[in-house]
Parts: sequence; structure tokens; C-alpha cells
Amino acid sequence: NAGVMQNPRHLVRRRGQEARLRCSPMKGHSHVYWYRQLPEEGLKFMVYLQKENIIDESGMPKERFSAEFPKEGPSILRIQQVVRGDSAAYFCASSPASGGDIQYFGAGTRLSVL
Amino acid sequence: AQSVTQLGSHVSVSEGALVLLRCNYSSSVPPYLFWYVQYPNQGLQLLLKYTSAATLVKGINGFEAEFKKSETSFHLTKPSAHMSDAAEYFCAVSSGNTPLVFGKGTRLSVIA
Repeated sequence: NAGVMQNPRHLVRRRGQEARLRCSPMKGHSHVYWYRQLPEEGLKFMVYLQKENIIDESGMPKERFSAEFPKEGPSILRIQQVVRGDSAAYFCASSPASGGDIQYFGAGTRLSVL
Repeated sequence: AQSVTQLGSHVSVSEGALVLLRCNYSSSVPPYLFWYVQYPNQGLQLLLKYTSAATLVKGINGFEAEFKKSETSFHLTKPSAHMSDAAEYFCAVSSGNTPLVFGKGTRLSVIA
């Protein structure tokens, strides 16, 4: 039973390029969460999605960031025109349902912006 | 709004000594509380969770935590530290229908 799969594990982009981070939830999980971890910081919530719906995007920057979780395929976190401040580890978590259920985390994607 | 405060960004213990990692939370509704562990360059692994059942929660790898409502605390303990316990530990809170709110983490070092 595969866990939460994130790819790529490491991503290097130059300023102004686009970054696409992918997350495949655990089998049977329909809820996906994205978190960002800056150096020496805890994880900060970005966005919560269910299939084809954004439930809560209160933690997403208003510009350049977007997320989707289509009916088929992985969830995608997209960062347009990356800047050096976007360099961080981005973690995806999934759960079978909302409300107190355990969130299972992927290994993360470490984005470096040159 | 919910928040978590982890006292001590870095804790160092000797192998075999007691591990105590402190976590205080703030929540206007009954909280769900979690401890996660993160090893270098890896994702987060759940150690244990509290969801309004027993106040003393036992987790994996010999860890346990006690929910104390009067103190708004959920401290993590282990009677005897092992070298393999060296990692970053995160306390988190949710209200059951919200994403996790994490503390800043405590880095545990274990000295031989």
C-alpha cells in the first residue's frame, strides 16, 4: 500500500520560471493538503482540496500560486514566476476524510530558486 | 483561531535519559492534538494523536503524551532516549474540520 507520493523530490528553478509540484494521495484518500516549510520553521498550511474542489485556500499567497486536484490524476501545486523567497520544502498530506482524521505526509519536494 | 507553542527549539538529552518535549496549544473549540516526527530530508511521521478519548495517549517508538486541559498542554515524553530518536518533533492542533496548525518544532539531540 503505497504512501503519499510526491514528485519531484528536488526541483531547481531560475527566477521567473514555473514550478509544478505533484502529489498522489494514498489509495482511498480523497482529501489533500499542501503545506510549506521554510528553514527553521514549522509547516504552514497553504491549501486544502478535495477532488475537483478547493475547500480552503486561506494559506495560499494571492498571486502566482494555484492548486488543483482533478478527478483523475495527482494534485498539482503550481508556482508561476518563482522568486528566491519561494525556496522551501513543500509537503503534501492526504486523509480519507476531514475532521480529526490523521493526515499522512509525503516526503516533500524541496524547491530551490536560483 | 488555533495556535501551538513549542517551548525550546532544541533539546539535548543523554542516551537513556528521559525525553520531555513541551507543547502548549490555544483553541476555542475542543482540540485534536498530534505529535509528528521528521527525520532529515524526510516527510512527517505521526507519533500519536489525541481526539478526546483517553487523556494519556501512547504512540509509536515508546513515546506518549498527556492531554491536560487545565494547562492547555500536550507534552511528549519517553522514559529512555535512544540514539535513533534524534530528529525534529512537531506538535500540531486542529479542530476536526480544519487543517493542521503546527508549532515551530523542537530538534532533539541524543548524546551517547
